[in-house]
Amino acid sequence: EIVMTQSPATLSVSPGERATLSCRASQSVSSNLAWYQQKPGQAPRLLIYGASTRATGIPARFSGSGSGTEFTLTISSLQSEDFAVYYCQQYNNWPPALTFGGGTKVEIK
Amino acid sequence: QVQLQESGPGLVKPSQTLSLTCTVSGGSISSGGYYWSWIRQHPGKGLEWIGYIYYSGSTYYNPSLKSRVTISVDTSKNQFSLKLSSVTAADTAVYYCARDLSGYAANWGQGTLVTVSS
Repeated sequence: EIVMTQSPATLSVSPGERATLSCRASQSVSSNLAWYQQKPGQAPRLLIYGASTRATGIPARFSGSGSGTEFTLTISSLQSEDFAVYYCQQYNNWPPALTFGGGTKVEIK
Repeated sequence: QVQLQESGPGLVKPSQTLSLTCTVSGGSISSGGYYWSWIRQHPGKGLEWIGYIYYSGSTYYNPSLKSRVTISVDTSKNQFSLKLSSVTAADTAVYYCARDLSGYAANWGQGTLVTVSS
């Protein structure tokens, strides 16, 4: 099973600042990586797939990069609605397997 | 825009079978091209993929749950379902259904909390 590790667990950022979230895979997943945003009491929302392609309706301030085992989600200028938990997920061996990272909480500094 | 809605009991007794249904609207399960997933989230924790089904009936399950999970589809009702047997308190979670496009979940239901307790 491919293990996904996200860091940091919590990121404290001021509104307007840049946030950089990391996701590492235990083995190469090529570019088969997605990012999700989850706010309290809500379902996750797809942000990025294919490591760097924004999903429909996702603002340009969200960008993804990386391939292989190292990935980054960057939020260029944090807005109040961006404070949430972010998960990465690999789907390199899909079907059948896919696995999620443990999440990074982005909180207001 | 496709929408998904989970339904089922919010409380299940230990050792019994958890049963949930996901109703899809705004799109047809039988049109193909998508996999239909169940994902759960333990309280305050991360996401765990349970399994998914294709409209043809092909299924894939998380190996850690495979012995207890059954996912089925009813194309006539545009629904798919989850059964998880022999539940314990460790199965208490919010259960989501989702539509998978090539391995990532582009559309999610709102989720339903299932508590396992006597």
